[in-house]
Amino acid sequence: AQSVTQPDIHITVSEGASLELRCNYSYGATPYLFWYVQSPGQGLQLLLKYFSGDTLVQGIKGFEAEFKRSQSSFNLRKPSVHWSDAAEYFCAVGAAGYQKVTFGTGTKLQVIP
Amino acid sequence: DAGVIQSPRHEVTEMGQEVTLRCKPISGHDYLFWYRQTMMRGLELLIYFNNNVPIDDSGMPEDRFSAKMPNASFSTLKIQPSEPRDSAVYFCASRAGRIYNEQFFGPGTRLTVL
Repeated sequence: AQSVTQPDIHITVSEGASLELRCNYSYGATPYLFWYVQSPGQGLQLLLKYFSGDTLVQGIKGFEAEFKRSQSSFNLRKPSVHWSDAAEYFCAVGAAGYQKVTFGTGTKLQVIP
Repeated sequence: DAGVIQSPRHEVTEMGQEVTLRCKPISGHDYLFWYRQTMMRGLELLIYFNNNVPIDDSGMPEDRFSAKMPNASFSTLKIQPSEPRDSAVYFCASRAGRIYNEQFFGPGTRLTVL
């Protein structure tokens, strides 16, 4: 079964600084990888996904992520964080032949002025 | 489309009472998922449906939990009897087709069992 690990529970960055959120997955074949964002009191919204092709994927709100098979990672990045990016971020993994996605435990991002 | 609609948004009930949570998926979506989110356990998949048929309910914690999808536009999650440890935010999500497509989440129902 697939699994996903987000090692950072909470991260604080200054507004304008760069951001990288870590995600490691466990699955034998090529995974389907997702990043979702959850603002307070809201449901989750898809930021970006990878399922084939270019390993660097662009998403909404200026986010990008890179799939690195050798490291089993799919880290989320943003070059310059805005105060509105404060939220909780979830990495998720799925696989061909399955219909359910496994979510990580989330990383809560705090942005300070 | 209005997105995934959940009701109620907040529910406060007393232990032992029956609770029914409702979900209207996005029209045309053939998959529907129920999740529970807590601080301790994170986001857990409870059950999912494909074309109104329950496919995997292995995440349903106990027999006190049941879910139905009588038609393509409506699903319910029922807890009977409710217990304080059921307090959580319950999300419904829907998806069109393959696993690599986006799941659209509703705003959630915050359930408090006293």
